[in-house]
Amino acid sequence: DAGVTQSPTHLIKTRGQQVTLRCSPKSGHDTVSWYQQALGQGPQFIFQYYEEEERQRGNFPDRFSGHQFPNYSSELNVNALLLGDSALYLCASSLYDRGNYGYTFGSGTRLTVV
Amino acid sequence: DAKTTQPNSMESNEEEPVHLPCNHSTISGTDYIHWYRQLPSQGPEYVIHGLTSNVNNRMASLAIAEDRKSSTLILHRATLRDAAVYYCIPLPPPDKLIFGTGTRLQVFP
Repeated sequence: DAGVTQSPTHLIKTRGQQVTLRCSPKSGHDTVSWYQQALGQGPQFIFQYYEEEERQRGNFPDRFSGHQFPNYSSELNVNALLLGDSALYLCASSLYDRGNYGYTFGSGTRLTVV
Repeated sequence: DAKTTQPNSMESNEEEPVHLPCNHSTISGTDYIHWYRQLPSQGPEYVIHGLTSNVNNRMASLAIAEDRKSSTLILHRATLRDAAVYYCIPLPPPDKLIFGTGTRLQVFP
């Protein structure tokens, strides 16, 4: 049973560029959440998608946007990249509003902005 | 969001039990208590969760205080592979998993 799959695993972009990261949730999960993890820090919540809509959002600027497709997969888009956007981007899948159910995380996409 | 307090770091020897404490005094009555761990260079991994009763699974045990203001993750016999950052996270409905700073567990042979 495949878990959460993220692509690409590594990415190098230049300041000002745009980037798209992709996530396929664990089979049977309907909700995707995205996190940013800077070196040495805990993961920071970006947003959560369910039924193709953004349901919750963390304290991130509008440069960060996302999408969820009918097959539950998701994309994270970041526009006008800044050096400070360099981080590990994690995708997690779960069942919506099921607090008694664990999240499954992918291994992440390491984004470097130069 | 409920605030959590965990020790920054803890140490253990291999094969010994480890008790990782977490204070979540502002937790709401409907918040599940989740624990995740993150091994070096990996995404977080679900460990265990509970609401009011103590819970056991193949990875660990979770002891929840009667007033639910604190909980303890118990690793019965630590191994080198248990070295990780452990996060205690109250999960309110609709759920939004918010990570704190966690406890870095070092395990010595």
